Amino acid sequence: ETGVTQSPTHLIKTRGQQVTLRCSSQSGHNTVSWYQQALGQGPQFIFQYYREEENGRGNFPPRFSGLQFPNYSSELNVNALELDDSALYLCASSEGGISTDTQYFGPGTRLTVL
Amino acid sequence: QKEVEQNSGPLSVPEGAIASLNCTYSDRVSQSFFWYRQYSGKSPELIMSIYSNGDKEDGRFTAQLNKASQYVSLLIRDSQPSDSATYLCAVNPLAGNNRKLIWGLGTSLAVNP
Repeated sequence: ETGVTQSPTHLIKTRGQQVTLRCSSQSGHNTVSWYQQALGQGPQFIFQYYREEENGRGNFPPRFSGLQFPNYSSELNVNALELDDSALYLCASSEGGISTDTQYFGPGTRLTVL
Repeated sequence: QKEVEQNSGPLSVPEGAIASLNCTYSDRVSQSFFWYRQYSGKSPELIMSIYSNGDKEDGRFTAQLNKASQYVSLLIRDSQPSDSATYLCAVNPLAGNNRKLIWGLGTSLAVNP
């Protein structure tokens, strides 16, 4: 059983650029959640995808967008990058449904916006 | 009022002692409760999940849940230096299919040799 993977591990961008982060969910999981974690803070929920549909969104502007593919991998896209977007971006996968809701995290992508 | 609150610490305990980490939450209908451990620069790692009132033990870790008091705690017995990390409490306020987690800011734990 493979765990959650994310790419890239580190990324440096400049203000105004666009970025795409990728996540492969754990085998057997159909739900992917994305979180932003600033230094010294807890993770903040961005959005969740369940079976290719958005299933909840946190308090993030529309320039944060995502999608989920038929194999349940997912992308997070951020347009018009701002300095405050510098953070650790975490992807978590879970089985979905009502039997369990435990989320397992990938290693994260560290994004630095200059 | 923050939805999930934790003491930021740092909590410092000697090696071999019991570390006690606490978390309170504001939403009474919360269903699922999780403790994650996060080393600096790394992603959160699940330690325990708990859904029912009472204690749940897994090795050196015990989670305690009291829904009436809206309180969940994590005890670490025989603390080791490798337990030094930030411990995050996460709460899922909804049953059903929305798996949004609400997070505390974390408690920093230092276990001194």
